[in-house]
Amino acid sequence: EVQLLESGGGLVQPGGSLSLSCAASEFTFRTYSMTWVRRAPGKGLEWVSSINPNGAYTYYADSVKGRFTISRDDSKNTLHLQMNSLRAEDTALYYCVSVVPVPGWYFDYWGQGTLVTVSS
Amino acid sequence: DIQMTQSPSSVSASVGDRVTITCRASQGINNWLAWYQQKPGRAPKLLIYAASSLHSGVPSRFRGSGSDTHFTLTISSLQPEDFATYYCQQANNFPLTFGGGTKVEI
Repeated sequence: EVQLLESGGGLVQPGGSLSLSCAASEFTFRTYSMTWVRRAPGKGLEWVSSINPNGAYTYYADSVKGRFTISRDDSKNTLHLQMNSLRAEDTALYYCVSVVPVPGWYFDYWGQGTLVTVSS
Repeated sequence: DIQMTQSPSSVSASVGDRVTITCRASQGINNWLAWYQQKPGRAPKLLIYAASSLHSGVPSRFRGSGSDTHFTLTISSLQPEDFATYYCQQANNFPLTFGGGTKVEI
């Protein structure tokens, strides 16, 4: 069974940085596009960033563009999200998600999430 | 950006009821639409992709339909495990966007 395990969340002050990781197992990670989705407390789902299988293409929500960087290490089956200049509004549960291998960006396997709290 | 608008925001229903949730896109998205179910404390689960394709393992009581700007998710006979929040998502134009969610309550 596919497993996605996020780590790296925690409490950080506004303006600070945090690096999230997602360890994938039981699927051919290198052939899948991957995505980060977040859910702020009391809010709905928000797409954050996506990366294609070879990492050549990356996409970002306007709210994080220029502050967050998505990357992948296929040799370690790991997805990363480097988050800089964090703001209170970045407080959320961050999910690592795999993309269904069909045309379109549909999200099938989800991790359990890692909580990021931005507060002084 | 493509805005996704769901209605209603919440619905009260009973076991055995037929429930329909609507999702409207601010511009045409062909059939590039997904539906997800999320229960409290759990990660979302993909139900439907490409507007009407049932994801593996999803019960057949879930049905998606629609195209262009108007989509629906129908649960034909609500089961106790179906009480959850449902989200639509447009899946072709960046930034990818979700609807605000519909909570199905007892």
